[in-house]
Amino acid sequence: KNEVEQSPQNLTAQEGEFITINCSYSVGISALHWLQQHPGGGIVSLFMLSSGKKKHGRLIATINIQEKHSSLHITASHPRDSAVYICAADDSWGKLQFGAGTQVVVTP
Amino acid sequence: DGGITQSPKYLFRKEGQNVTLSCEQNLNHDAMYWYRQDPGQGLRLIYYSQIVNDFQKGDIAEGYSVSREKKESFPLTVTSAQKNPTAFYLCASSTRGDRQYEQYFGPGTRLTVT
Repeated sequence: KNEVEQSPQNLTAQEGEFITINCSYSVGISALHWLQQHPGGGIVSLFMLSSGKKKHGRLIATINIQEKHSSLHITASHPRDSAVYICAADDSWGKLQFGAGTQVVVTP
Repeated sequence: DGGITQSPKYLFRKEGQNVTLSCEQNLNHDAMYWYRQDPGQGLRLIYYSQIVNDFQKGDIAEGYSVSREKKESFPLTVTSAQKNPTAFYLCASSTRGDRQYEQYFGPGTRLTVT
């Protein structure tokens, strides 16, 4: 059983819509990472958080340590947001346990 | 520009041959990692190294070997013992801050073994 579960697996939205991706984890963590993977395969780190909320542009990440749950929100979605979004739990020393990813498609 | 380079982007090998994937970083990071990604699956950790001349097995180390002779370099060898080596391989490095390791990823190498 994967210790990091993401939902939904796939998501299609129209441009401008608000998108939420959820991540639940069962391990104790020092940090929760949100990553973005584009079709070419490259991965970019979006957020690393251990409490509360972080915002970067139209992206917002939140985490609830007690409930072991994190969410990634995309406000005013745009076709260039189309990518796979991956959450990963850092249980120690940078060793990440990854979710399977959420494929997001934003249509014009 | 600082970053992580992996070469080559695409690699083709015949079954039974060992192959070495390159990973170099100029970010002055202590920790480096190798991950494998298969279609429809999450990334899985193969090996990681927190300092030079030291490395640890990850979740799927069988059939792989690594070395860490220099801080900047962490090559991965896929041996003939790896039963299903065709996959996308990602290298990452991280800096450490207050128990949190922000990870930086290379562009990946897509290995095909036939």
